[in-house]
Amino acid sequence: DAGVIQSPRHEVTEMGQEVTLRCKPISGHNSLFWYRQTMMRGLELLIYFNNNVPIDDSGMPEDRFSAKMPNASFSTLKIQPSEPRDSAVYFCASTLDSNQPQHFGDGTRLSIL
Amino acid sequence: QKEVEQDPGPLSVPEGAIVSLNCTYSNSAFQYFMWYRQYSRKGPELLMYTYSSGNKEDGRFTAQVDKSSKYISLFIRDSQPSDSATYLCAMTYTGGFKTIFGAGTRLFVKA
Repeated sequence: DAGVIQSPRHEVTEMGQEVTLRCKPISGHNSLFWYRQTMMRGLELLIYFNNNVPIDDSGMPEDRFSAKMPNASFSTLKIQPSEPRDSAVYFCASTLDSNQPQHFGDGTRLSIL
Repeated sequence: QKEVEQDPGPLSVPEGAIVSLNCTYSNSAFQYFMWYRQYSRKGPELLMYTYSSGNKEDGRFTAQVDKSSKYISLFIRDSQPSDSATYLCAMTYTGGFKTIFGAGTRLFVKA
């Protein structure tokens, strides 16, 4: 079975540019999570979707961050405009039920110059 | 105080050693406990999943939960160089969607 698929794997861009990260969850999973991982802060939950609906976006750091889930098989996380402090690894995870363990993609390593 | 505390290490052991990784937590509502393994430049991979207190064994891995002490452990027997990774504890509760992750412990197993 295919796991959670994220693209791109690496992104290097200049400050001020728009960045779009993509995620395809595991088929049949109805919960999707976006995380950011840094050495200083570890894994931080950014936003949680259930049945394509955003349930909790309290972890989204600023209005520069937005996320969408137009259907059950696709989600995007957008940063506009990007800043150097947004540099991190961004993970998408999905699960069948919010109490079940989450399955992670291999992340997008984002560098903002 | 963080909800979940985990020593970041690094922890370095010789091949064949028994490894003990631990987390403490403060929220007594947590009922589901997980251990994830994360290799460099990869996503966290679920290793063990337990509900409530007790032990669970899977091959060389044993997960232990002590709810009275708010303490969970992961034991790795006969450790191998391929076990070198970061291990993250995680926990959640019934009706909650948010999984709380520990900071992760970096483990190095030397051949």
